[in-house]
Amino acid sequence: GDSVTQMEGPVTLSEEAFLTINCTYTATGYPSLFWYVQYPGEGLQLLLKATKADDKGSNKGFEATYRKETTSFHLEKGSVQVSDSAVYFCALSPNQAGTALIFGKGTTLSVSS
Amino acid sequence: EAGVVQSPRYKIIEKKQPVAFWCNPISGHNTLYWYLQNLGQGPELLIRYENEEAVDDSQLPKDRFSAERLKGVDSTLKIQPAELGDSAVYLCASSLERTGELFFGEGSRLTVL
Repeated sequence: GDSVTQMEGPVTLSEEAFLTINCTYTATGYPSLFWYVQYPGEGLQLLLKATKADDKGSNKGFEATYRKETTSFHLEKGSVQVSDSAVYFCALSPNQAGTALIFGKGTTLSVSS
Repeated sequence: EAGVVQSPRYKIIEKKQPVAFWCNPISGHNTLYWYLQNLGQGPELLIRYENEEAVDDSQLPKDRFSAERLKGVDSTLKIQPAELGDSAVYLCASSLERTGELFFGEGSRLTVL
């Protein structure tokens, strides 16, 4: 079945460091891809998304490009801030009738000043 | 605009006791989801509603879990009787479209003693 695999954390960085969180997926057809973020004490919220191959999603300085050839959707940010500390979830929507978002296990990011 | 509202935020019960969680989705969102999130894991779908119809409940343990969405708005998820392994966060989400962005509530954290 469809699935999402993301790098295990925790990821610990200093402020202004470069961030990459790897995400690969397995899916039949052409899924949509998402990154959700969960800040401490809050619910999951959409960070960015891409609906077709080669699309780039971006928000709040984060970017991810839908790579069909490598089945990947890696999350990147050029300069992280302490406020980016959170759990990041990669997810896919199979775009098939009767299915819902499938999530990865999440990657915890901790940024120190 | 109000977000997805869940209650209670926290619940502690003894095993074999019943428990119920309530969710009020964003106004106008026809699709409602209940997800289960175990510690250190990504959310896993329990049940999805399109209006008042449960269109995907294949992952709901029907021997002890039940859910309803009366009038296609609010929803209730019930566990009876609860087991130690049910300790987790129960997330409710809603969306306008089946493959669109999901909006999550803050979750209901259940501890079974």
